[in-house]
Amino acid sequence: GAGVSQSPRYKVAKRGQDVALRCDPISGHVSLFWYQQALGQGPEFLTYFQNEAQLDKSGLPSDRFFAERPEGSVSTLKIQRTQQEDSAVYLCASSLRQDNEQFFGPGTRLTVL
Amino acid sequence: DQQVKQNSPSLSVQEGRISILNCDYTNSMFDYFLWYKKYPAEGPTFLISISSIKDKNEDGRFTVFLNKSAKHLSLHIVPSQPGDSAVYFCAASGAGSNYKLTFGKGTLLTVNP
Repeated sequence: GAGVSQSPRYKVAKRGQDVALRCDPISGHVSLFWYQQALGQGPEFLTYFQNEAQLDKSGLPSDRFFAERPEGSVSTLKIQRTQQEDSAVYLCASSLRQDNEQFFGPGTRLTVL
Repeated sequence: DQQVKQNSPSLSVQEGRISILNCDYTNSMFDYFLWYKKYPAEGPTFLISISSIKDKNEDGRFTVFLNKSAKHLSLHIVPSQPGDSAVYFCAASGAGSNYKLTFGKGTLLTVNP
């Protein structure tokens, strides 16, 4: 079966541009997570959805970051007015329930010039 | 402040020998621990986990040991195979949230033929 997919796989943005990163979770998975992985670091939690409800956004680094999952399936992570420090791999994961194993997508590598 | 630490950035072992990857944590509220494996340009893949009520969990060639008093866990791979070469991340959850994973920085394992 299909795993978690993310698009685009690579994104180059000029500083100040807005970007939108898409995540297609595994069908039927209730929980969806976004993580940010900076170079040489482990993934860091950004936000968590249960169906369409965003239950935890404590990891979002600033109000320039916004995530949504309007129909409880596909999710979009939006970053406004990108800065160089936003350069990272953005990973999406989904799980059947919140305490189940998380399946990760391949990530979107964002480079802000 | 890193709550999950993997102090060895890299490890090199000979095929057929044992690989031991170590992880330390500081938050005593963590009660569930996981190991993920990551190949380049792919997302992390779940490998094995252990609950804090256990001190050992085994799955084929992979065994995870947990020492709660020392806040230390280790992943043993025996025998090691060249296909095991990847970055291994230790992760923990708990501390009031059973879904938010806190990752270490990872250890690059190279298994030489």
